[in-house]
Parts: sequence; C-alpha cells; structure tokens
Amino acid sequence: QVQLVESGGGVVQPGTSLRLSCAASGFTFSQFGMHWVRQAPGKGLEAVAIVSYDGSIQSYVDSVKGRFTISRDNSKNTVYLQMNSLGPEDTAVYYCAKGFYDSGPWGQGTLVTVSS
Amino acid sequence: EVVMTQSPLSLPVTLGQPASISCRSSQSLVDSDGNTWLNWFQQRPGQSPRRLIYKVYYRDSGVPDRFSGSGSGTDFTLKISRVEAEDVGVYFCMQGTQWPKTFGQGTKLEIK
Repeated sequence: QVQLVESGGGVVQPGTSLRLSCAASGFTFSQFGMHWVRQAPGKGLEAVAIVSYDGSIQSYVDSVKGRFTISRDNSKNTVYLQMNSLGPEDTAVYYCAKGFYDSGPWGQGTLVTVSS
Repeated sequence: EVVMTQSPLSLPVTLGQPASISCRSSQSLVDSDGNTWLNWFQQRPGQSPRRLIYKVYYRDSGVPDRFSGSGSGTDFTLKISRVEAEDVGVYFCMQGTQWPKTFGQGTKLEIK
C-alpha cells in the first residue's frame, strides 16, 4: 500500500533553513504529482507547495513564495521541501501528500518549530 | 483563491444517530475535464489527517460504508449514517481543482 514517510523536522532559530524529505513507496512515484501541507498548532490546514510528476511544474502558496522550494528525485522516490528564512509563522506539522489535483494519502508528518 | 466554508463547526451527535457536514466553495470545483476535486478528511485526536472520500463520493479503501459523500458544483456534503465512538474527531473538506488547494475550517464531531 501507499506509504509516505516524512523526515527532517526539528527546532530551528528564526532566519535559518531546513530541508524536509518525504520517502514514498507502494506506488509508481514518477507518475504522480506530490505536495506539502502544513498544520500550525491548533490551526487549520494550508497547502504550501506542489510539484508535477516530472518536476517541471512547481507552485507555492503566497506565504512561502521566494522562501520555500519543492523538488523531487524520481530515482530515489523522494520529494523535498527546502525552507529558507524561516519565521515563527512557519511552525507547524508538515505533511507530504500524493497527488496533483487529488490529495491523498498523506504521511504522518514532521514537526518544524521555529523559535529563538 | 477558492474559499471553502464548512458548517456546522461543532457537531454533537448521539451514538447510532446520523450526522451531516456541509461544505461550500466560493467557485465551482468542476475542472475543464469535468472532474470535481473535492475530498473529505478525518483527523482523530493526536493523529494525522486520513482521507475518507475523494472526487466527491468515492470512498477510500478501508473506509466504512457508513461514510458517504455527495454534491456538485459548489455544494457538498459528508454524511455518516450511524455515528460510532471511533468517529470522534475533526472533519475537513478540501478542494484540489485550483491551486492553492484550500481547506474548510474543520467540523469537530463529538459524542453527545
């Protein structure tokens, strides 16, 4: 079955960078778009970045444009989220999810805490 | 961006009774190919969201058949025919037709 495992979260100081990874299995990774969704503590859900099946299309929500970069390595069945210039507002659990127009399933998430 | 509006935000339900959650979008979710990318998710306390329904009414594998989705255009509904204790949690609708994907505020289902 489809499995998505996120890693790379942690506690970082404002202004620093972090790279999240999501290892996928159980489906033909290179045929599907992927995206990242975050959930701030006690808050709702926000889709932050999306990449097409071949990596040629990336899109971002306005709040992360210019700071976050989504990429993928189809040879490693992995999607990445490079996060730069992190601020307290980026504190959240980050989930990776399968799909371009569709969404699901999701991974278990990785917690990113931005705090001084 | 497409605004998703759920109601109610709080839903106390007696065990064995039905429950219904509404989700309305600010724009039609039908894409140029005729697909409607509307999903429903369940988030149990302390867990990550789990997709229940995709493309309005298709149930995910392993989802009990007491869950059903319906609707079209801008108006969608998630129904639980008979609520069980394990259904406690927050339910979200999500549209994927237009980027950015957007979510409803969430409906907290609790047992009365």
